[in-house]
Amino acid sequence: DTEVTQTPKHLVMGMTNKKSLKCEQHMGHRAMYWYKQKAKKPPELMFVYSYEKLSINESVPSRFSPECPNSSLLNLHLHALQPEDSALYLCASSQAGGVTRGSEQYFGPGTRLTVT
Amino acid sequence: GESVGLHLPTLSVQEGDNSIINCAYSNSASDYFIWYKQESGKGPQFIIDIRSNMDKRQGQRVTVLLNKTVKHLSLQIAATQPGDSAVYFCAENREGGGNKLTFGTGTQLKVEL
Repeated sequence: DTEVTQTPKHLVMGMTNKKSLKCEQHMGHRAMYWYKQKAKKPPELMFVYSYEKLSINESVPSRFSPECPNSSLLNLHLHALQPEDSALYLCASSQAGGVTRGSEQYFGPGTRLTVT
Repeated sequence: GESVGLHLPTLSVQEGDNSIINCAYSNSASDYFIWYKQESGKGPQFIIDIRSNMDKRQGQRVTVLLNKTVKHLSLQIAATQPGDSAVYFCAENREGGGNKLTFGTGTQLKVEL
């Protein structure tokens, strides 16, 4: 199984809402990632979890709060977002942990988020 | 057909022709490179990777070439098919960045029938 799943596929939320994005993999990978992708742009790294610990935070605003409950699950909690946060949010996983380089990352299909 | 990924974001080729997508990288310490394909509405899909101790690697219908001297990466797709239409991103793993990938700007490949 080389699949990374993400739910929901689409999400529309108001600026005062609280919502969560979910990601799951069953490949035994120990590194998981959140990326943000705007239209016609490359993915931009937000967070990296290595062995369930946050290893990289790319100066992401605190209205985005990641959580890694276990090695298979990754959540992204959203609160008080702005319309400019509307984007495709991609989850990825890789075999190697965050400090080990050169490991292929597998991406999920993404959650299309619209903030109104 | 051929493109310079950062300067010509769209590449149009005829079905059956070979495609060449180019990517320039800036960090000479990068030692791992990946090509991803992203179809509309989907996440990036791994195509092929190459480490800096190699200059060529072949997969099924795809070849990646790495020229470390000029910091250039290319993806060659043989006998391009309509299903190859997508945005192609190169990504590099930079020294000191852990497993962080830095993506190039991407090239839109359009296959004309």
